[in-house]
Amino acid sequence: SQQGEEDPQALSIQEGENATMNCSYKTSINNLQWYRQNSGRGLVHLILIRSNEREKHSGRLRVTLDTSKKSSSLLITASRAADTASYFCVLTGNQFYFGTGTSLTVIP
Amino acid sequence: NAGVTQTPKFRVLKTGQSMTLLCAQDMNHEYMYWYRQDPGMGLRLIHYSVGEGTTAKGEVPDGYNVSRLKKQNFLLGLESAAPSQTSVYFCASSSAVNQPQHFGDGTRLSIL
Repeated sequence: SQQGEEDPQALSIQEGENATMNCSYKTSINNLQWYRQNSGRGLVHLILIRSNEREKHSGRLRVTLDTSKKSSSLLITASRAADTASYFCVLTGNQFYFGTGTSLTVIP
Repeated sequence: NAGVTQTPKFRVLKTGQSMTLLCAQDMNHEYMYWYRQDPGMGLRLIHYSVGEGTTAKGEVPDGYNVSRLKKQNFLLGLESAAPSQTSVYFCASSSAVNQPQHFGDGTRLSIL
């Protein structure tokens, strides 16, 4: 499959802790994007990292990309209950592919 | 700003009925997409469009048709609904294929 594969499939943490989720892939990419989906809603774009970038920050989000290992990670620092959602990585090249997502639960 | 708007939000159909889902975007995006989301399977691309008057097949196009007569609208049609098409359908748009996509809030469709 050319999809990204997120790991873990589900993650439960206490509020204030950091959450890390990973995405592995097999194809070459132009960029990799992370999206969030709250229950019953559409996906919301979080951050885009290009293939020639290694790390990118946006607020409490930190994304890394290792093209040699074909993997990316999303770190959410100081998590909040409102971060409870599913998180998807999307590989973009000639086409684009959604992963199956990590379900994050942040316990207040 | 409305962004991407999908109508209807919910619908129940009987097997064999037909219907059209409407997607409208106000961002002047060239690219528009239709996905379905099923439990545990992520999003799968049904059809997409790279501009007004153009459409192309995605990963799971069978049983669906689309039209993009106006740049801001992308319609998804089910000619003869089947229970396997029970799903949540999402529309999205983007300025280019590798750029962030903006999603609607989905249409929950049940086929009995």
